[in-house]
Amino acid sequence: AQTVTQSQPEMSVQEAETVTLSCTYDTSESNYYLFWYKQPPSRQMILVIRQEAYKQQNATENRFSVNFQKAAKSFSLKISDSQLGDTAMYFCATNRDDKIIFGKGTRLHILP
Amino acid sequence: GAGVSQSPSNKVTEKGKDVELRCDPISGHTALYWYRQSLGQGLEFLIYFQGNSAPDKSGLPSDRFSAERTGGSVSTLTIQRTQQEDSAVYLCASKTGPLSSYEQYFGPGTRLTVT
Repeated sequence: AQTVTQSQPEMSVQEAETVTLSCTYDTSESNYYLFWYKQPPSRQMILVIRQEAYKQQNATENRFSVNFQKAAKSFSLKISDSQLGDTAMYFCATNRDDKIIFGKGTRLHILP
Repeated sequence: GAGVSQSPSNKVTEKGKDVELRCDPISGHTALYWYRQSLGQGLEFLIYFQGNSAPDKSGLPSDRFSAERTGGSVSTLTIQRTQQEDSAVYLCASKTGPLSSYEQYFGPGTRLTVT
């Protein structure tokens, strides 16, 4: 069965700092995807970044990058030059068949 | 184009009443999902529709929960005889097709409060 674990329920960092959110997962899929979703106070879930497990190169989207360690089943998200608008819940996720399994989330506060 | 929309945005109901939550997916998206997000929790999968295939109902927590998708577009999630533990945000998502690589686009959710 697929499981996703986020060990940091809540984090706070100063604006412009770099922050890393942790995620570990377990999966029985041979080829799978990993995702980070952002949920701001508006409740709108937004895909931040996606990684295909068969690709060794870490995905990057502007200030967001991942550290994908396949053997360790680790998929952390790094946010560089954090901005006030990055304040949100962040969910790590993986797919099971055609569904997505989410972790419980990390609440991130960016402080001015 | 328009994103996924959900209505109502908020719903307060008395314990024991039935409620219907609506989801309008992005036009042309064949896959539609319902999730439940309880306070402080992640998203819990409820049900999945893909085209004309039989829906995957494996996540529905009890037989009080049901969903329909009419004409391959709009979906309605119905909760009968609501209980206080049903209080949560219900999120709908749609995507282009069945492949896992396709991105799911989420609606803003319906916050259900059962009093």
